[in-house]
Amino acid sequence: GAVVSQHPSWVICKSGTSVKIECRSLDFQATTMFWYRQFPKQSLMLMATSNEGSKATYEQGVEKDKFLINHASLTLSTLTVTSAHPEDSSFYICSATGTYEQYFGPGTRLTVT
Amino acid sequence: AQSVTQLDSQVPVFEEAPVELRCNYSSSVSVYLFWYVQYPNQGLQLLLKYLSGSTLVESINGFEAEFNKSQTSFHLRKPSVHISDTAEYFCAVSLIQGAQKLVFGQGTRLTINP
Repeated sequence: GAVVSQHPSWVICKSGTSVKIECRSLDFQATTMFWYRQFPKQSLMLMATSNEGSKATYEQGVEKDKFLINHASLTLSTLTVTSAHPEDSSFYICSATGTYEQYFGPGTRLTVT
Repeated sequence: AQSVTQLDSQVPVFEEAPVELRCNYSSSVSVYLFWYVQYPNQGLQLLLKYLSGSTLVESINGFEAEFNKSQTSFHLRKPSVHISDTAEYFCAVSLIQGAQKLVFGQGTRLTINP
């Protein structure tokens, strides 16, 4: 089956620093990847749609300058949280599109101290 | 726009009892329907999906869901649950055309008690 990996699985960083999260489709190519954010005991909130070779499309209310997305190849999308603050602490999940469905990565737990 | 409502935020049941997790959706166009399961601190795993054809779809671990167009529902059922079914379950829809953006329900926490 289609496998999506994320790296790192968890990260702790200091307030004001930037953190990069990688999302890779391991055995298939994905022209479109999605980035979600999930707060404890809540559903997934779509942050942005990442398209290979073009700019990401951000959902309303998501700061594009704070959450930088790069989809440089058909198997890799990165999310960089710039100048992170404690309120950015969350569980970030990516997914890659197959023919009819999305395949999800295992998630990255970000804690900003 | 599409929306998904999961009517129960928490469902506690005893082991080997049947369970139904309810999901209703709203959309002016045809959609694909999905159930995903999330175990603690993990990503989402696809449980089952409805794309077309038979309205009853089944998963390999005993879950089934039935698409009811008139009631705009896609309820998830299992006749006998196991402790290992304890998890968060998300219902989701996506447009048949377009970028396959998923719209999720709020999630239902299924807790199986011995």
